[in-house]
Amino acid sequence: QQQVKQSPQSLIVQKGGISIINCAYENTAFDYFPWYQQFPGKGPALLIAIRPDVSEKKEGRFTISFNKSAKQFSLHIMDSQPGDSATYFCAASKNEKLTFGTGTRLTIIP
Amino acid sequence: DTAVSQTPKYLVTQMGNDKSIKCEQNLGHDTMYWYKQDSKKFLKIMFSYNNKELIINETVPNRFSPKSPDKAHLNLHINSLELGDSAVYFCASSQEPLSSQPQHFGDGTRLSIL
Repeated sequence: QQQVKQSPQSLIVQKGGISIINCAYENTAFDYFPWYQQFPGKGPALLIAIRPDVSEKKEGRFTISFNKSAKQFSLHIMDSQPGDSATYFCAASKNEKLTFGTGTRLTIIP
Repeated sequence: DTAVSQTPKYLVTQMGNDKSIKCEQNLGHDTMYWYKQDSKKFLKIMFSYNNKELIINETVPNRFSPKSPDKAHLNLHINSLELGDSAVYFCASSQEPLSSQPQHFGDGTRLSIL
């Protein structure tokens, strides 16, 4: 059972455009929602995170939007750059455990 | 200096063999994890240790046995390797065993079973 569903599986965005990745969760007990970025041959690295009592969090070009009633959250990357090309994972946590989404491969083209 | 380091980076071996993967973190963190990433990039937690004590043990075959000699090290030993064990295994660490703590990942060990 996939507790965190992520879409799309892959995404191609033109340089300077907005990249949007969506996630939905089922367990209302989740209390922390991070996004991780993974480059080929490397481990995932924390990008940005949000708690469910906040509807939006922005750090530089990266913004998380959170809709508690819909049990959905999304990552927006503004002014997308070729260096943003990577695989992005949403995650949700309860107690000590992180549950990851299935990942989105983002490609930024010139 | 690498914060979370895993060895080896690549491991190619025959079915039925026993192998170990080592992990060390120099961040002074109390909690360490093992994750498995399959060929479709799905990332799933296997184990978590806090101060050398097991706190998370997901549904993992008992052929997998983690060992934490001290809080800076968490090794993974796998017995009787099977084809389905082929994956990338990531070690991670965090300051505390709270999932709200950022987890720092190593660069992974790619295990290939022939």
